[in-house]
Amino acid sequence: EDQVTQSPEALRLQEGESSSLNCSYTVSGLRGLFWYRQDPGKGPEFLFTLYSAGEEKEKERLKATLTKKESFLHITAPKPEDSATYLCAVFYNQGGKLIFGQGTELSVKP
Amino acid sequence: DTGVSQDPRHKITKRGQNVTFRCDPISEHNRLYWYRQTLGQGPEFLTYFQNEAQLEKSRLLSDRFSAERPKGSFSTLEIQRTEQGDSAMYLCASSSAYEQYFGPGTRLTVT
Repeated sequence: EDQVTQSPEALRLQEGESSSLNCSYTVSGLRGLFWYRQDPGKGPEFLFTLYSAGEEKEKERLKATLTKKESFLHITAPKPEDSATYLCAVFYNQGGKLIFGQGTELSVKP
Repeated sequence: DTGVSQDPRHKITKRGQNVTFRCDPISEHNRLYWYRQTLGQGPEFLTYFQNEAQLEKSRLLSDRFSAERPKGSFSTLEIQRTEQGDSAMYLCASSSAYEQYFGPGTRLTVT
């Protein structure tokens, strides 16, 4: 069965304390992976798309990487405004459905 | 604002009532998706359209659920005879290629 698992479920950091979030998947025929940010009561906000193992994308304090079995979202020197739930999702083909992990709830304290 | 919009943002209904939600996608996007999200979980796929054609439906979409996209623009999701287990956030997304962009969601509470 296709499965996407994120860890940890919750992560508490001090401002400036770098860390990584993990997204592992067992999916056949994977075409790529998305990372989203979701604030409470809002829809997911698109961050990155990764298509192939070894690919990396960066945006401000965030960097996403992809291997054949997992993806990491690295957060460098986080700020309180980075607090949110981070979701990863995989897809099989262009225009098709996404399969999401359960998310990692990140809290950054000043 | 040219993002995905959803209406209403919140809906409280009594068990057994019918409800209908609307989604307006980004104007140049030909694909439209519906997902459902419960507390502490990631979104779960329900169905999607390419233009006006409904191309895939999840097993989660029971016969009480129906979705339409009559002219390939906006879409509606109707839930008949609502149950307490239908309480969730209903999310709409649209795309023209790979990336899917989400709306703010409609939060449904069934009492």
